[in-house]
Amino acid sequence: SAVISQKPSRDICQRGTSLTIQCQVDSQVTMMFWYRQQPGQSLTLIATANQGSEATYESGFVIDKFPISRPNLTFSTLTVSNMSPEDSSIYLCSVGGVGSSTGELFFGEGSRLTVL
Amino acid sequence: GQSLEQPSEVTAVEGAIVQINCTYQTSGFYGLSWYQQHDGGAPTFLSYNALDGLEETGRFSSFLSRSDSYGYLLLQELQMKDSASYFCALSDSWGKLQFGAGTQVVVTP
Repeated sequence: SAVISQKPSRDICQRGTSLTIQCQVDSQVTMMFWYRQQPGQSLTLIATANQGSEATYESGFVIDKFPISRPNLTFSTLTVSNMSPEDSSIYLCSVGGVGSSTGELFFGEGSRLTVL
Repeated sequence: GQSLEQPSEVTAVEGAIVQINCTYQTSGFYGLSWYQQHDGGAPTFLSYNALDGLEETGRFSSFLSRSDSYGYLLLQELQMKDSASYFCALSDSWGKLQFGAGTQVVVTP
């Protein structure tokens, strides 16, 4: 298993500002995934973050809006830039566990952002 | 692209059995996973099928038929604490998941 800590757990932000979410994992992992969950909706993958390389973004998500850093094998950050009310969501960091099946991801508790 | 369909809501009484179906369209995938999410909580892994057939984990079982592009999650001996959202998800070889829209399970006394 993997234990994931995310900060902040929640925040209220003003339109036009940016916020950086931190994700810390208790073990070294190759790939980290960032998901977004809009109110009442499912999880949508934003990007995959590998250590030492640029993140790979899914269709509809761009680096200028969601820059990601992955400085080492236990840490990543996701920045939500130039926020608008449509960015109000829960942002979740996830990783696969060492030795787990590829279908099993562990999730942080999420960062609930409200943009006014 | 990929798409997954599952019912939006299922209601059942305590002690009953509930089956949540998931049909999908994809050009290829590694396996089908199931996750549970309570309101305000993080998704938690329930079950995974890489091969066709039934996987049993306690009160929860999951099934996959690749030929029918279909899977299901079976919840037995329903308890009030099982009231939650349940998501099916397709995985690739890197562990990346694409989730279905989710099924809200409501358990009544």
